[in-house]
Amino acid sequence: EAQVTQNPRYLITVTGKKLTVTCSQNMNHEYMSWYRQDPGLGLRQIYYSMNVEVTDKGDVPEGYKVSRKEKRNFPLILESPSPNQTSLYFCASTSPESSYEQYFGPGTRLTVT
Amino acid sequence: AQSVSQHNHHVILSEAASLELGCNYSYGGTVNLFWYVQYPGQHLQLLLKYFSGDPLVKGIKGFEAEFIKSKFSFNLRKPSVQWSDTAEYFCAVNAGDSGGYQKVTFGTGTKLQVIP
Repeated sequence: EAQVTQNPRYLITVTGKKLTVTCSQNMNHEYMSWYRQDPGLGLRQIYYSMNVEVTDKGDVPEGYKVSRKEKRNFPLILESPSPNQTSLYFCASTSPESSYEQYFGPGTRLTVT
Repeated sequence: AQSVSQHNHHVILSEAASLELGCNYSYGGTVNLFWYVQYPGQHLQLLLKYFSGDPLVKGIKGFEAEFIKSKFSFNLRKPSVQWSDTAEYFCAVNAGDSGGYQKVTFGTGTKLQVIP
């Protein structure tokens, strides 16, 4: 089954404690993205990747890092989380063959206290 | 830079009523346009997309959208809504010269509540 998986699904952490949210896709898609969803703000793109070792900033990259060492994986790293990063995070993948339709993961609800 | 506006933040309709959700974008070049739906507690799923060709696009579950280039609009329509259409709807644009079609901008979403 074609899918995007994220782990963990729920995470409560404290300010400053580094964390990583993993994302993996099994569709051999070149492109992957991270979004955060906040009430009233919709989805905002954090980072995207066009291929292995090729990443670029989206609209809200501050406080986040990503890496793309393998085509299927695109982890999101918060080096020093802060309460304003409390949000719902979605990973997505796509390809030209799918006319750039985004396939979304199930989401990770992060709370930073 | 591209942007997307969804003017209706919260819409309440009775079952069988007709639906039209507005979406306007700002970008002067080639775009791909999408409508996604998010049912309560779930991730986003594609309803329909416009890539090129016929500006009237039909999607799943009876939804359709019309791309009007002169108005920079991509409004979503459904002739008769059902209670199961209760969800949040997002318009999105993916512009051609923004990082190779990967800089995607979403609207702020429209919450649709259908009353039985």
